[in-house]
Amino acid sequence: DQQVKQNSPSLSVQEGRISILNCDYTNSMFDYFLWYKKYPAEGPTFLISISSIKDKNEDGRFTVFLNKSAKHLSLHIVPSQPGDSAVYFCAATSGGYQKVTFGTGTKLQVIP
Amino acid sequence: GAGVSQTPSNKVTEKGKYVELRCDPISGHTALYWYRQSLGQGPEFLIYFQGTGAADDSGLPNDRFFAVRPEGSVSTLKIQRTERGDSAVYLCASSFGGGANTGELFFGEGSRLTVL
Repeated sequence: DQQVKQNSPSLSVQEGRISILNCDYTNSMFDYFLWYKKYPAEGPTFLISISSIKDKNEDGRFTVFLNKSAKHLSLHIVPSQPGDSAVYFCAATSGGYQKVTFGTGTKLQVIP
Repeated sequence: GAGVSQTPSNKVTEKGKYVELRCDPISGHTALYWYRQSLGQGPEFLIYFQGTGAADDSGLPNDRFFAVRPEGSVSTLKIQRTERGDSAVYLCASSFGGGANTGELFFGEGSRLTVL
């Protein structure tokens, strides 16, 4: 049972344009959502998160949007840079419970 | 170093052998996690420790897998009678633990296990 789904395995974007990565979830108990970034041969690193009481969180070039009614979140990267090329994982957790559930990832390629 | 350290970085073994993977978390982090990542997949939860005890081991696939954290710091993931399907990158992560869970985990670089 895949509780966190990333239906696009890959995405290519021109440098300077917007990258939009999507994620859907099925578990209504999730109340904290995160995006992690992973380069080859490295562990995932935390990028940005959002609590379910918010619908938007922004950090520099990165913005995460949450639509609870649709059980959908997205990560926007503006402007995209070649160094953003990596695999992005959507993840979710329930408050007070430490298990974090990850999606399958979207490989982003930013073309110079 | 200041980050999560995992050893070995690569391990090649034969089917049926026993394997141990070690994780040294960030100092002061009380929570420690093991995840497994297969090719083309996201990290799959295996087990979570809060201090010395396994708070959730629901992700361990079967009784060939076992993990310990005897002193609340370093953890060892043990795999008995390895099978080819166990081949994956085993990721360890730590976090501050306790209080409100924000899900921010600090990952090591992983141990790549190949079972021939």
